[in-house]
Amino acid sequence: GENVEQHPSTLSVQEGDSAVIKCTYSDSASNYFPWYKQELGKGPQLIIDIRSNVGEKKDQRIAVTLNKTAKHFSLHITETQPEDSAVYFCAAAGTTDSWGKLQFGAGTQVVVTP
Amino acid sequence: AAGVIQSPRHLIKEKRETATLKCYPIPRHDTVYWYQQGPGQDPQFLISFYEKMQSDKGSIPDRFSAQQFSDYHSELNMSSLELGDSALYFCASSLGGGNNEQYFGPGTRLTVT
Repeated sequence: GENVEQHPSTLSVQEGDSAVIKCTYSDSASNYFPWYKQELGKGPQLIIDIRSNVGEKKDQRIAVTLNKTAKHFSLHITETQPEDSAVYFCAAAGTTDSWGKLQFGAGTQVVVTP
Repeated sequence: AAGVIQSPRHLIKEKRETATLKCYPIPRHDTVYWYQQGPGQDPQFLISFYEKMQSDKGSIPDRFSAQQFSDYHSELNMSSLELGDSALYFCASSLGGGNNEQYFGPGTRLTVT
């Protein structure tokens, strides 16, 4: 089955700096790659996603890039703010035998210090 | 905008008891997914339903069962509870037909004592 690896596990950044989280996946059939933000005690919140026919997608301060050949995708957060502090999860889905199942990475704890 | 609703939000049960978790998807969403999240871990897929039929199955114990009803809400039934079942249980919903965009509910925190 699909295996997703996520790095780093923790990330500390100064307010205003950029944060980058990287993920790799194993199944070349995966075609959907969402990113979720989870605050303590809350459910994962979908913040951006990308499909395999697109190389890059941007939404205000958040961008995601996908390299299908290398099977890796990254989340970029620019001009970080304290409210960006949370756990971020990458995920992969869309394989032919399991199109709806999200396989998550282990998560990255992001801490933005003022 | 309306979100996924889960009830109860907190549940305390003893070993060997049963528990029923409920999920009400976003209006018009026809697909429901269940995930289990242990402390400090990523969500693990349990099971999903599309148009009231089971569409995918993950690492769901045989002690657990689930179904989706005609109004698209779903229930996760957990029997013979074990201490290791203590976790956050999330329901997510999506507009099916190949769209994987899943929106998560606030979760049910199950504690088994």
